[in-house]
Amino acid sequence: GAVVSQHPSWVICKSGTSVKIECRSLDFQATTMFWYRQFPKQSLMLMATSNEGSKATYEQGVEKDKFLINHASLTLSTLTVTSAHPEDSSFYICSAREAGRGYGYTFGSGTRLTVV
Amino acid sequence: TQLLEQSPQFLSIQEGENLTVYCNSSSVFSSLQWYRQEPGEGPVLLVTVVTGGEVKKLKRLTFQFGDARKDSSLHITAAQPGDTGLYLCAGQRGNTPLVFGKGTRLSVIA
Repeated sequence: GAVVSQHPSWVICKSGTSVKIECRSLDFQATTMFWYRQFPKQSLMLMATSNEGSKATYEQGVEKDKFLINHASLTLSTLTVTSAHPEDSSFYICSAREAGRGYGYTFGSGTRLTVV
Repeated sequence: TQLLEQSPQFLSIQEGENLTVYCNSSSVFSSLQWYRQEPGEGPVLLVTVVTGGEVKKLKRLTFQFGDARKDSSLHITAAQPGDTGLYLCAGQRGNTPLVFGKGTRLSVIA
């Protein structure tokens, strides 16, 4: 089945630094990937839709200059949290859907970001 | 405004009991999906329902899509400790991104 690999699984960084999270579709091509943020004991909140070869579409309230998304190939999307602050600490998850394999989405295993 | 209302938010039951989780909306969805998420991991798809009135079974789990495609339910029979986790319903309308409910945190006590 479709597999989405997300890396790293966890990262600790200092305030003011930037962190890049990668999301790869391992056995299929994904023209669209999605980035979510999840706070403890809460559901997933869509941050942005990553489109291969074009600009990402951000949800209302999500700062595009802070959360940079690059989808340079059909198998890789990256999310860079720039100038990270403690309030950016969260669980970030990506997802993609393989065309022609039904409606279900495959999610990465998530990245736990802690900003200290 | 939450597009998908999921209830209950928390549920703690004894092993062997039955339970039902509900996912309701005033909007019509082209498909509705149920996911299960373990701590520190991404959600894993359990089932997708697309036809109004559709019922799907996955071992002890029964999923139903409302006739009007606005609501869905997940019923677990004879719950086991291994069923513990966060259950999420998610709906899709056309080509728009998935919309998630707030989730139901289930704890099954042995």
